[in-house]
Amino acid sequence: DIQMTQSPSTLSASVGDRVTIACRPSQSISNWLAWYQQNPGKAPKLLIYKASILESGVPSRFSGSGSGTEFTLTISSLQPDDFATYYCQQYNSMWTFGQGTKVEIK
Amino acid sequence: EVQLLESGGDLVQPGGSLRLSCAASGFSFSRYAMSWVRQAPGKGLEWVSTISGGGDRTFYADSVKGRYTISRDNSKNTLFLQMNSLGADDTSVYYCAKVGDTAMVIAHFDNWGLGTLVTVSS
Repeated sequence: DIQMTQSPSTLSASVGDRVTIACRPSQSISNWLAWYQQNPGKAPKLLIYKASILESGVPSRFSGSGSGTEFTLTISSLQPDDFATYYCQQYNSMWTFGQGTKVEIK
Repeated sequence: EVQLLESGGDLVQPGGSLRLSCAASGFSFSRYAMSWVRQAPGKGLEWVSTISGGGDRTFYADSVKGRYTISRDNSKNTLFLQMNSLGADDTSVYYCAKVGDTAMVIAHFDNWGLGTLVTVSS
């Protein structure tokens, strides 16, 4: 089974900050990676798939990069709606989620 | 607009069974694989099961294999999850999710329902 490790687990930031979240699979997954945003009490929302493709309707301040065993989600300028928990997900072999990264207000 | 509406969540005793449903609309249901993902209280997301568009291929997480059965009725645009031998560890919000690619069963999830809560407790 492929394990997914996100870092950090919690990130404190301010509005306007550039934020980067890392995701490392336990083995190479090519570019079969998605990122999701989840607000408390809400369903997850797809942000990025195939490592770097922005889902329709998602603001361009979100971007994804990487391949193989190292991936990043970047928010170029943090907005109030972006304080949430973010999950990476591999779908190279079945599906596995990372443990999540909570982005909180500094 | 894609809509996914889960139902069937309830309080059930350990060892009991429950059947979840997910009513889909706004897309050609039979063309897409569908999945269940769960989230225990205060915890992260856990993939549970996926079924192909035609229903001929199914996938299960090790944690539910042999206890859960995923199925679908394409004539009624509905996804199901039959859960047996439930234990406390199965307590979660269960989300229905649409796979975001018609050509691939194993792909990202582009639409999610609001979830239904399953509580296993005596």
